[in-house]
Amino acid sequence: SQQGEEDPQALSIQEGENATMNCSYKTSINNLQWYRQNSGRGLVHLILIRSNEREKHSGRLRVTLDTSKKSSSLLITASRAADTASYFCATSSGNTPLVFGKGTRLSVIA
Amino acid sequence: KAGVTQTPRYLIKTRGQQVTLSCSPISGHRSVSWYQQTPGQGLQFLFEYFSETQRNKGNFPGRFSGRQFSNSRSEMNVSTLELGDSALYLCASRHTRDYGRELFFGEGSRLTVL
Repeated sequence: SQQGEEDPQALSIQEGENATMNCSYKTSINNLQWYRQNSGRGLVHLILIRSNEREKHSGRLRVTLDTSKKSSSLLITASRAADTASYFCATSSGNTPLVFGKGTRLSVIA
Repeated sequence: KAGVTQTPRYLIKTRGQQVTLSCSPISGHRSVSWYQQTPGQGLQFLFEYFSETQRNKGNFPGRFSGRQFSNSRSEMNVSTLELGDSALYLCASRHTRDYGRELFFGEGSRLTVL
């Protein structure tokens, strides 16, 4: 069963705008990771946030984590056409494999 | 370092056949995980190997099997293929047995079952 559920399922924005994707999960976690997948390709790790962290930045990416609400958000600032991809959250809980959500499809229109 | 390499990238099989997919992890990575990705179910965990031992297995029928060799290369096999096995099969590696660390994915093997 899926642990993380991303919202929205699809998002379309203009180049230069910010894109925000949300992830909700059900059980306690050790950390939460975000991955990106270009169409039909492998996933690429973007950022990891631990359960005791509230916010993390990496370049144009900003991730927040609210463990009380069991939710996380990924913000991509100043989006570019090259950011067009699917974005997945994945949760890590103890000695169990990473569990992925179904992803948000982001389209950035030039 | 070379990334995770999966072969073949694309393949077409018919129902009832069997298929073997191969994965070469990043050099030095001893953990290899396999995921099945379909539009309806998303990414589903198949199994994970560390130092030739299966550490975890997902909720898939026994037709799905795998193994890992002493050089950390891994193979997965699907026997008696069904139409529903059509999917992108992703292999991922990590250098540690810590499940919390990031995964490095290959480009995937896209299997079509006719």
